[in-house]
Amino acid sequence: DQQVKQNSPSLSVQEGRISILNCDYTNSMFDYFLWYKKYPAEGPTFLISISSIKDKNEDGRFTVFLNKSAKHLSLHIVPSQPGDSAVYFCAATLRGSNYKLTFGKGTLLTVNP
Amino acid sequence: ETGVTQTPRHLVMGMTNKKSLKCEQHLGHNAMYWYKQSAKKPLELMFVYSLEERVENNSVPSRFSPECPNSSHLFLHLHTLQPEDSALYLCASSQRRGGGHNEQFFGPGTRLTVL
Repeated sequence: DQQVKQNSPSLSVQEGRISILNCDYTNSMFDYFLWYKKYPAEGPTFLISISSIKDKNEDGRFTVFLNKSAKHLSLHIVPSQPGDSAVYFCAATLRGSNYKLTFGKGTLLTVNP
Repeated sequence: ETGVTQTPRHLVMGMTNKKSLKCEQHLGHNAMYWYKQSAKKPLELMFVYSLEERVENNSVPSRFSPECPNSSHLFLHLHTLQPEDSALYLCASSQRRGGGHNEQFFGPGTRLTVL
């Protein structure tokens, strides 16, 4: 059973607008969450992370929000740029097993010029 | 070379062949990982090596055999694979610190096709 779910396989937004990518998880023992971005023919690259003791982390155009009660996190990209077009993976780690990443299936983001 | 490199990038093999995937990290990390990404599935962790000792083996079939001769190199030896083993195999590395979280750095992957 999938513990990290990204229910939208794809998302399309206009350049300059906000992109919101969503992720849900089922295991309340997850205590650290990461977002990775993947371009075709490349490996995933780390984007931003958040600890379960926080509800928001911001890095430039990227902000991750965590709602622990809803077991939900989201990645906001604003403003979106065509170069942001990629597959975005949500991942989580368990308390005590911080090397073991559990990934979602990914969401393909397309930013249209 | 920088980051995490993987060779070959593409591999086609028959079910009776024996081949090896190679991964090298140039980041001075102390942990290395093998992941499998099948179509429409999440990345699945296969093996973890920390300080050259295997610390995780996620019930992977014995036809996949990892080897970590030193902290910079990781191999995945393949033999008598099945067509359903066709997938993207990703290597990653990280610097494991007690009690802390740290991101993993991925290589570009090897696209494996088993005929």
